[in-house]
Amino acid sequence: EAQVTQNPRYLITVTGKKLTVTCSQNMNHEYMSWYRQDPGLGLRQIYYSMNVEVTDKGDVPEGYKVSRKEKRNFPLILESPSPNQTSLYFCASSLAGPNTEAFFGQGTRLTVV
Amino acid sequence: GQSLEQPSEVTAVEGAIVQINCTYQTSGFYGLSWYQQHDGGAPTFLSYNALDGLEETGRFSSFLSRSDSYGYLLLQELQMKDSASYFCAVRVNAGNNRKLIWGLGTSLAVNP
Repeated sequence: EAQVTQNPRYLITVTGKKLTVTCSQNMNHEYMSWYRQDPGLGLRQIYYSMNVEVTDKGDVPEGYKVSRKEKRNFPLILESPSPNQTSLYFCASSLAGPNTEAFFGQGTRLTVV
Repeated sequence: GQSLEQPSEVTAVEGAIVQINCTYQTSGFYGLSWYQQHDGGAPTFLSYNALDGLEETGRFSSFLSRSDSYGYLLLQELQMKDSASYFCAVRVNAGNNRKLIWGLGTSLAVNP
């Protein structure tokens, strides 16, 4: 089954404790991205990757890091989480760019206390 | 700056037709997409328009007018399960960047 898998689905952590949210897709897609979704602010892109070892900043990259060492995986790293990073996070992948159909993971609800 | 505007809420009854508009101000426009999201769930792709005109997929249609920087999503024969948020998104190019800019979403409530 074609899918994007994120883990964990829910996470509560404390300020400053490094964490990683994993994202994996099994569709051999080139383009992957991370979004955060906050009430009233819609979906905002954090980082995206057009292919292995090619990543770039989206609209809200501060406080986040990503890597793309393999085509299927695109982890999101919060080196020192802060409460303003409490949000719902989505990973997405698409075949060849942001205008092609994007498949989203089920989301990670992160709370930083 | 770059922005997309869509209504925040729309209400309709089962069986009716509803149109959700999206106007955009962006640079390097490359196409308009629509996504559906049920409460707390993952967004799912509905349609993509790169050229002017109407694209039809079952009960859903999407329209684009590039000259007017405007598009809409048309939902026909509304069902209760269509109650969800609907987002328009525009692909833009900025230098080497290829990004999607998203609207804030339209919450559709379908009543019996």
